[in-house]
Parts: sequence; structure tokens; C-alpha cells
Amino acid sequence: QVQLVESGGGVVQPGRSLRLSCAASGFTFSNYGLHWVRQAPGKGLDWVAVIWYGGTNKYYADSVKGRFTISRDNSKNTLYLQMNSLRAEDTAVYFCARDTAGVRGVEYYFDYWGQGTLVTVSS
Amino acid sequence: QSALTQPASVSGSPGQSITISCTGTSSDVGGYKYVSWYQQHPGKAPKLLIYDVSSRPSGVSNRFSGSKSGSTASLTISGLQAEDEADYHCSSYTTSSTHVVFGGGTRLTVL
Repeated sequence: QVQLVESGGGVVQPGRSLRLSCAASGFTFSNYGLHWVRQAPGKGLDWVAVIWYGGTNKYYADSVKGRFTISRDNSKNTLYLQMNSLRAEDTAVYFCARDTAGVRGVEYYFDYWGQGTLVTVSS
Repeated sequence: QSALTQPASVSGSPGQSITISCTGTSSDVGGYKYVSWYQQHPGKAPKLLIYDVSSRPSGVSNRFSGSKSGSTASLTISGLQAEDEADYHCSSYTTSSTHVVFGGGTRLTVL
């Protein structure tokens, strides 16, 4: 069965960096686009970034552009999110999610999600 | 402030039907058929319920249905069950650089 397991969250001071990982199993990892979606405490979902199945196309929300970098290692079935210059407003549970489109590209529909990892930005 | 507007809460009794609205603009909900809905139980990951406005993924109960009129999409849950108590989030493709936007979520309480 499809599994996505995030790790790397924690408490970090404003301005510092953190790298999240998402280990995938149960499907052909290299055939799917993957997203990071976050949810601040008590708030709605907020799309962060996407990387296409081959890793060449990447897109970001305006709020993280220039600070966050999405990447993937198809040999390790792992998705990453490098977060730099963190701010208090980045505090959230970060989910990785699989796109439904497969090798067609991305459709921005998320059919499998991890359980999330909490990032808290605080001094 | 979320790009799409949902009511903060709705409620209904077991067996009844409820509808959750999701209002956007012509740049998102009103301009495209790329609307989706997610169910999220407390402390859990979201689950895809509806895509392309009204399509259901395999395994999702036909008690869940979606529709759209103008810039407002709707999720209807019929035959309410206790297990339907959860948060529901709508999402839409958008012409903005963000590509996808979510609503603020709606808490469904089954009385």
C-alpha cells in the first residue's frame, strides 16, 4: 500500500534552517509528482511547493519562494523540503502528498498524504 | 485569510443531508472545473473525497457528492453518519502563480 512518512520537523529559531524528508513506498516513486502542503495550528491547508515526477519542474507558493527548495531523490524514494530563513508564520504541520497525475504532469489533486511533521519557529 | 471562502462550521443530525459551500472568483472556482474536496479527521491526514468538481475516487462513498454553480462549489453529504464528523477543505486550481488555493475549512458536527 502507498505510504508517505515525513520526518525532520522540530523547534527552530527564526532565521534558521530545517530540512524535511518524506520517505515513500508502495508505488513507483519516479512516476509521480509530489507536493508539500502545510497547516498552521487550527487553520486550513496551505499549498507550499510541487516537484514533477522527473524533478525538473518545480513551483512554489509566493510566501516561500526564494526561501524554500523542494527536491527529490528517485533512487532513494525520498522527497525533501529545504527551508531557510524561517519565520514565525512558517509554523505548521507539513504534509507531503502525492499528485494524481502520474507521468501526465501535475493536476494539483492529492490522493495520498503522509501524517505530517510539525515545524515550530520560535525564539 | 484563505483564498476560498467556506463556512466555519455546519451541523446536522444522523440521516440528514448537509451542504458545504466554497466560494471563489472567476480566477479559480468560477473559471475552471478543477475543484476538489478533502475530509480531515482531527490529528489525521486529509483524504481526497471529490475531484474535477464532482468525481469520486475509487472507494469513496456515494453519499459524498460535489457540484458547482458560478464561482461557488458545494459538497453535499447525504445520510449523515457519526463518522462523517470532521473538517472539510475545498481546493481549486487558480490562475495566480500559486497554482492551487484552499478554503479555510469547515468543521462538520453530527448532532
